[in-house]
Amino acid sequence: QQQVKQSPQSLIVQKGGISIINCAYENTAFDYFPWYQQFPGKGPALLIAIRPDVSEKKEGRFTISFNKSAKQFSLHIMDSQPGDSATYFCAASSHSGGSNYKLTFGKGTLLTVNP
Amino acid sequence: SAVISQKPSRDICQRGTSLTIQCQVDSQVTMMFWYRQQPGQSLTLIATANQGSEATYESGFVIDKFPISRPNLTFSTLTVSNMSPEDSSIYLCSVGQGAGNTEAFFGQGTRLTVV
Repeated sequence: QQQVKQSPQSLIVQKGGISIINCAYENTAFDYFPWYQQFPGKGPALLIAIRPDVSEKKEGRFTISFNKSAKQFSLHIMDSQPGDSATYFCAASSHSGGSNYKLTFGKGTLLTVNP
Repeated sequence: SAVISQKPSRDICQRGTSLTIQCQVDSQVTMMFWYRQQPGQSLTLIATANQGSEATYESGFVIDKFPISRPNLTFSTLTVSNMSPEDSSIYLCSVGQGAGNTEAFFGQGTRLTVV
């Protein structure tokens, strides 16, 4: 059972455009939603994260939108640049019941930004 | 954020042999984790490396196949035992930091190819 569904699998955007990646989750106990960026040959790097008490978080060109009732969250990359070309993973975790921190990842989106 | 170093960065191994991957962190951390990322796939948590006690394994992963050591708060090893081509993956060490250990940071990974 895939607990975090991510789409699209791949995305091609022109330089300066907006990249949008969507994720949906099933487990209502999830209370932390990070996005990771991974370049080839590198480990994932934390990009931005949100908690369900806010509907949006912005850091520079990167924005997370969160819809708790729909159990969906998305990453928006404004003014996309060729250097943003990478694989993006959404993830979710829960701290309920004193559980240890564990991340459940989406399947990833390969973003290509054309010059 | 913590600086995480993994060794080796890549290796090609014969089937039936074992490989031990090392993870060194530049600061003491409570939570350390091992993930597997199969080619073109998402990240799957193998186990939580507990300092001074046995690792906690996720469903589908067993200690005999993936023994883990955590002798102190800055170091852990993952062994991939009796390898088969299906074990060809990237293995990633991760640490939890921040309030409640919610922020996960990753090493650069170990790319393992089993022939």
